[in-house]
Amino acid sequence: DAGVIQSPRHEVTEMGQEVTLRCKPISGHDYLFWYRQTMMRGLELLIYFNNNVPIDDSGMPEDRFSAKMPNASFSTLKIQPSEPRDSAVYFCASSSPPGGEEEAFFGQGTRLTVV
Amino acid sequence: AQSVTQPDIHITVSEGASLELRCNYSYGATPYLFWYVQSPGQGLQLLLKYFSGDTLVQGIKGFEAEFKRSQSSFNLRKPSVHWSDAAEYFCAVGDNAGNMLTFGGGTRLMVKP
Repeated sequence: DAGVIQSPRHEVTEMGQEVTLRCKPISGHDYLFWYRQTMMRGLELLIYFNNNVPIDDSGMPEDRFSAKMPNASFSTLKIQPSEPRDSAVYFCASSSPPGGEEEAFFGQGTRLTVV
Repeated sequence: AQSVTQPDIHITVSEGASLELRCNYSYGATPYLFWYVQSPGQGLQLLLKYFSGDTLVQGIKGFEAEFKRSQSSFNLRKPSVHWSDAAEYFCAVGDNAGNMLTFGGGTRLMVKP
């Protein structure tokens, strides 16, 4: 397996524009996580899915952020409208269910810059 | 709520010297504990994990960590550091309901020649 695949690797956008980040989890993994990494706040969990269903979105900063998982092999994180303070590295991770291997495998991240 | 503290933001060691990175956690039940490493511009790679059993766990790249329940600690160690170990290291605690991870703030390791 190629691991967790995120696209794009880098995104530069203007304030007010819509941004969509994409993630392809490892095949067979039932859990998918979106994290955000900033200098100020470190690594924060934004939302996670189990079997394509959002389980906990309490980490989503505000209504401008939304995440979907239309099928087991694809998830998106959308920011609309984007703001400069959204600049960060966004990581997607996937894992298999409890009782099996529980480690999360991370993608290489999307570095978002909002100007 | 669970939390993780990594007291050292930066650590510099000489190549060949031993290393210990500190990690303290707060969690109500038996924790699932992890150490990840992040090289510049890269994602996070799992070094090792503790779920149960032997409190001394071995990981990749010659790293090990010891779970000490009485001290709520999970310190990472390596007997002899290589220049390629320079990176940022994150300790994390996992939730029982999956592994939604709470990360510490990270420790940036620099290795002197």
